Amino acid sequence: DVVLTQAPLSLSVTPGQPASISCKSSQSLLHSDGKTYLYWFLRRPGQPPQNLIHEVSGRLSGVPDRFTGSGSGTEFTLKISRVEAEDVGVYYCMQGIHLPWTFGQGTQVEIK
Amino acid sequence: EEQLVESAGGLVQPGGSLRLSCVASGFTLSNYAMAWVRQAPGKGLEWVSAIADSGDDTFHADSVRGRLTISRDSSRKTLFLQMDSLRAEDTAVYFCVRRLKATTGSGIFDLWGQGTLVTVSS
Repeated sequence: DVVLTQAPLSLSVTPGQPASISCKSSQSLLHSDGKTYLYWFLRRPGQPPQNLIHEVSGRLSGVPDRFTGSGSGTEFTLKISRVEAEDVGVYYCMQGIHLPWTFGQGTQVEIK
Repeated sequence: EEQLVESAGGLVQPGGSLRLSCVASGFTLSNYAMAWVRQAPGKGLEWVSAIADSGDDTFHADSVRGRLTISRDSSRKTLFLQMDSLRAEDTAVYFCVRRLKATTGSGIFDLWGQGTLVTVSS
């Protein structure tokens, strides 16, 4: 199975400051179609997960532009340019190309 | 409004069975591939099962294959997860998930139900 390793596992951020989460894959997530199937999710307390980013860098509708995904092959990053209170929760990366589809272990983001 | 609503879970004894259902509203279920994702208490997200829009292709995680089975009845706008031979490690909140652009791989998990708790314990 593909292992996704996130870092850090927890993050405490002052509102208005940036945050960055890394996700490293044990295998390349680049498909022969040229796309890379890496996704980012946020699970806010008491809410189901929300897909923020698809295929490394595509923001889903309604996702603020302060969220930016980047990376290629096996190394990926989610950056929040200016953290807001509503960004609190657990962030997960997920690979959707190799079965079984797997998630990273999660990064807890809290506000200072 | 597009919505997925899971049936109530509950307490099941080890070795027992339960069928979860997920009713779609606000969109045509038969146009979408679907999946189940779970989260055990204090743990991370785990993909469980997936099904193509046609229902012809299904996929299951190794940890549940042969015990949990995904299916769909698009005429009833409903996705199912038949759970047999349940174990304590199946205790989790189960989410019904819509998959967008799922021609290759997982697709985008763009719509989630609120989740339903299944507890396996004697």
